[in-house]
Amino acid sequence: AQTVTQSQPEMSVQEAETVTLSCTYDTSESDYYLFWYKQPPSRQMILVIRQEAYKQQNATENRFSVNFQKAAKSFSLKISDSQLGDAAMYFCAYRRPGTYKYIFGTGTRLKVLA
Amino acid sequence: DTAVSQTPKYLVTQMGNDKSIKCEQNLGHDTMYWYKQDSKKFLKIMFSYNNKELIINETVPNRFSPKSPDKAHLNLHINSLELGDSAVYFCASSQVGEALHFGNGTRLTVT
Repeated sequence: AQTVTQSQPEMSVQEAETVTLSCTYDTSESDYYLFWYKQPPSRQMILVIRQEAYKQQNATENRFSVNFQKAAKSFSLKISDSQLGDAAMYFCAYRRPGTYKYIFGTGTRLKVLA
Repeated sequence: DTAVSQTPKYLVTQMGNDKSIKCEQNLGHDTMYWYKQDSKKFLKIMFSYNNKELIINETVPNRFSPKSPDKAHLNLHINSLELGDSAVYFCASSQVGEALHFGNGTRLTVT
């Protein structure tokens, strides 16, 4: 069974600094999708970034980028120039093609210090 | 032009009552979901429908019954509410290979 692990329940970062949130997953598939979602205190679930496993290039969205290490089954999220508005829960998620199930990690709470 | 909208946002009710949460999406997606987020923020899938057909039915008490009248709507009815049902319930939709698009959640509090 596929699992997604976020080993950092909580992280802190100074405003304007860079932080990396880790995510590992377990799968025997060669093709799949990975996602990072942000959940601010408003409780909205916001898609941050999406990565397709067959693409070797790491996805990037403005200040958010991923380090996708397929062999290591690692999918970490790097937030550059952290802003107060980045404070939120961050969830990593996995989906196997041909299935409808998205599996979420347990989340990492990110605090941004002024 | 809300993409996935669910109502109500908040629901406070007493044990034993029956309640419903409604969800609608205007993205043209074929697949809709119900997720439950508990007090520890863990997101667990409950149900999924694809073109009105139930395709995922996780281990959820029979008191929970989803209904999809068409592919743009997915409702959740809960009978005989219990304290442990208190949580945030998220509706979501997706198209094949794409990310999940979430509604804003319904916070259910059972007293």
